[in-house]
Amino acid sequence: DTEVTQTPKHLVMGMTNKKSLKCEQHMGHRAMYWYKQKAKKPPELMFVYSYEKLSINESVPSRFSPECPNSSLLNLHLHALQPEDSALYLCASSHPGADRGPTYEQYFGPGTRLTVT
Amino acid sequence: DQQVKQNSPSLSVQEGRISILNCDYTNSMFDYFLWYKKYPAEGPTFLISISSIKDKNEDGRFTVFLNKSAKHLSLHIVPSQPGDSAVYFCAASAVGGTYKYIFGTGTRLKVLA
Repeated sequence: DTEVTQTPKHLVMGMTNKKSLKCEQHMGHRAMYWYKQKAKKPPELMFVYSYEKLSINESVPSRFSPECPNSSLLNLHLHALQPEDSALYLCASSHPGADRGPTYEQYFGPGTRLTVT
Repeated sequence: DQQVKQNSPSLSVQEGRISILNCDYTNSMFDYFLWYKKYPAEGPTFLISISSIKDKNEDGRFTVFLNKSAKHLSLHIVPSQPGDSAVYFCAASAVGGTYKYIFGTGTRLKVLA
């Protein structure tokens, strides 16, 4: 099973709403990622969890709050978003790389298309 | 500052011919490179990777070439098929920053039947 699943596929929310994006993988990967992708742009890294601990936060505004409840699940909690936060949110997972060893490819989910009104 | 660049936003190739997608990088610390394919409304799919200790890696119709001195890599697809039509991203990472992949801007490949 090389699948990363994400729910929901589409989400429309108002600026005062609270919502969550969910991501799940069963490949035994211990690194999980959130990316944001705007139209005609490359994916931009937001957060990385390694062994369920937050290891990278790319200076993401606090209205985005990640959570990794266990090794298979990754959530992104959303609150008080702005219209410019509308984008495709991608989850990915990989084996964590060793500091002096090879890195590993990431497996991406299909994404959640988020629209903030 | 875009550390990974794909200077051709689009490319059209006839079915059966070779597709060559290019990627340039500026950070000499990058030592692992990947290519992803992305269809609309889907997440990127891993295609092929190469470590800086190699200059070529092949997997079926896909070959990646790395020229470290020029900080350049390319993806060759031979023969190209209509199903290869997608956006292709190259990505790079550095030892010590192994969780952090920097993506290029993408090249839209269209294979004409």
